[in-house]
Amino acid sequence: QQQVKQSPQSLIVQKGGISIINCAYENTAFDYFPWYQQFPGKGPALLIAIRPDVSEKKEGRFTISFNKSAKQFSLHIMDSQPGDSATYFCAADKTGTASKLTFGTGTRLQVTL
Amino acid sequence: KAGVTQTPRYLIKTRGQQVTLSCSPISGHRSVSWYQQTPGQGLQFLFEYFSETQRNKGNFPGRFSGRQFSNSRSEMNVSTLELGDSALYLCATRRGVNTGELFFGEGSRLTVL
Repeated sequence: QQQVKQSPQSLIVQKGGISIINCAYENTAFDYFPWYQQFPGKGPALLIAIRPDVSEKKEGRFTISFNKSAKQFSLHIMDSQPGDSATYFCAADKTGTASKLTFGTGTRLQVTL
Repeated sequence: KAGVTQTPRYLIKTRGQQVTLSCSPISGHRSVSWYQQTPGQGLQFLFEYFSETQRNKGNFPGRFSGRQFSNSRSEMNVSTLELGDSALYLCATRRGVNTGELFFGEGSRLTVL
């Protein structure tokens, strides 16, 4: 049972362009939605996270947009750089009792020169 | 400060054997979670330990087990290895249970022949 669906599976963006990755969730009890970035040979690292009481959160070039009614959230990477080339995972969690992150399947982003 | 340390980083086993993986959390982190990462299934939650007690577990067979020691270090064990157990096993730690940012180690890559 895949509770968090992520698309696209892979993405190629030119340097300076906008990268957009989308996720949809099913469990309305989820109340924490982080995005993780993973480089080859490394573990995932938290990039940015949002809670459902806000519709958007921005940190530098990274923005999460959140649509509670549609049960969707997305990551936008503005002015994409070659150093952003990595695999990105969205995730969802119900904090509190029995918290456990449920991850999307990942998006491999390649930013070309 | 030192990050999450996982050992060994790479190991090769044959079917039917067992394996033990180790995770040393960031100082002050008392919660340790384990995830299995495979190309087909992505990141899947195995279990979380806090104060030497398993607080949550994912949908994995009983061959997968873990424990946590009084110094918060954790081990996971997989018995009667199967080919499908080949994966990157990631440890993630955080200060408390049920909430807070997860910090991942670089993983232990297990190959089962």
